[in-house]
This record gives sequence, structure tokens and C-alpha cells, in this order.
Amino acid sequence: KNQVEQSPQSLIILEGKNCTLQCNYTVSPFSNLRWYKQDTGRGPVSLTIMTFSENTKSNGRYTATLDADTKQSSLHITASQLSDSASYICVVSGQAGTALIFGKGTTLSVSS
Amino acid sequence: NAGVTQTPKFQVLKTGQSMTLQCAQDMNHNSMYWYRQDPGMGLRLIYYSASEGTTDKGEVPNGYNVSRLNKREFSLRLESAAPSQTSVYFCASRSGGSGANVLTFGAGSRLTVL
Repeated sequence: KNQVEQSPQSLIILEGKNCTLQCNYTVSPFSNLRWYKQDTGRGPVSLTIMTFSENTKSNGRYTATLDADTKQSSLHITASQLSDSASYICVVSGQAGTALIFGKGTTLSVSS
Repeated sequence: NAGVTQTPKFQVLKTGQSMTLQCAQDMNHNSMYWYRQDPGMGLRLIYYSASEGTTDKGEVPNGYNVSRLNKREFSLRLESAAPSQTSVYFCASRSGGSGANVLTFGAGSRLTVL
């Protein structure tokens, strides 16, 4: 069964600290993996997309990694800010025409 | 650009009442989607429309109907609301069915069924 598992479920860190969120998937065949950020009361917004051939991609303070062999991705946030407080959702896409598989998300709280 | 606009933002219904959630996008996207989001469940697909004139069931379609009115608009109807349909509903669109195309989400509609 195609599944996407995210960990941890929730995380609290101090402002300025780094953190890493994990996403493990069993989707096969694999096409791409996208990380979304969802602020409270808003819809998810895409942060980055990882395709099969990509290992690392950065978007400002956000760095995503992908290991297609172990079917794992991580989202690393550097020098966290209060505005990083949100849910982060991992979404995996199979080959064309297949459904998107959503993880349940990791809720990040950044405190001052 | 407005992106994806959903109305209403909040709604309270009594069991058995009906209502329609409206969604419109101004990005000329072909595909549109309705999701529901519940605590601990993540986003689940209710219905989608790959192109104007077509609709298909998603993971949790029971109790819902949809209409792709034109390329811009995709509505979700609850004919007889039940407490189990209390949720936050998100409309989304993207340019095509490929997973590489990013989903653009609306701000959500919070529905409470008493």
C-alpha cells in the first residue's frame, strides 16, 4: 500500500535553533516528492519539489534532501524564526495519472 | 492574482441541512480538487476534476457531490449534512494532472455540523 509517514508528529524548538523533519514513503513507482508549509488557518503552500535524480535542494533557510534508495526525505530548517511555526506536509507523487499521497504533517512550534 | 478563492470561510449547519461550497481559480488551471482536513488525518481527497466537463471520486466521496461549472469554478455540495462532515475543506487547482505540477490551495472553509 502506498503510504507517506512523517516524523515527528510535533516539535517545539527555540528561535534561532535548527531542526530536521522526516518523511518516509512506500510509493512505487516514484515520480517526485514535494514539501508544503501550512500556516494556521491557511492553505498549504509549496516549499520545494524533489525529483528522483535530485539529492538536495535549498529554498532560503529550508533545505530538502531525498534518498530514493531508502525512500526517505528530510526538510532541514536553519536558524528558525517565529514565522516558521506551521505544519509541514510531505506529498509524494507516483507516475503520471496516479494519486498524490499526503503525509499527516509535522507541526512545528518556534518559541522565543 | 487572487489564486484560488473559496466561499464561505465559515459555516455552521444543522444535521440534515444542505449547502454548497464554492471555489474559483483565476490561473487557467485544468485540474481542480476538493480535500478535507481533519486533526490527525491529514488531507484527504473528496473529488477532483481533471478537466472541464469531467469529475471523479477521490478517497472519501460519500455524502458529497461536485459540479465543474466551467474551467474556473468547481463547487462541492453536501445534500444532507452529518456531524461526521465537520471539517476544514480545501479547494486546490493545478495546471495538469502530472505530479510535478504544484497544487495551489485556497484558504479553506471551516464547516461545523451540529
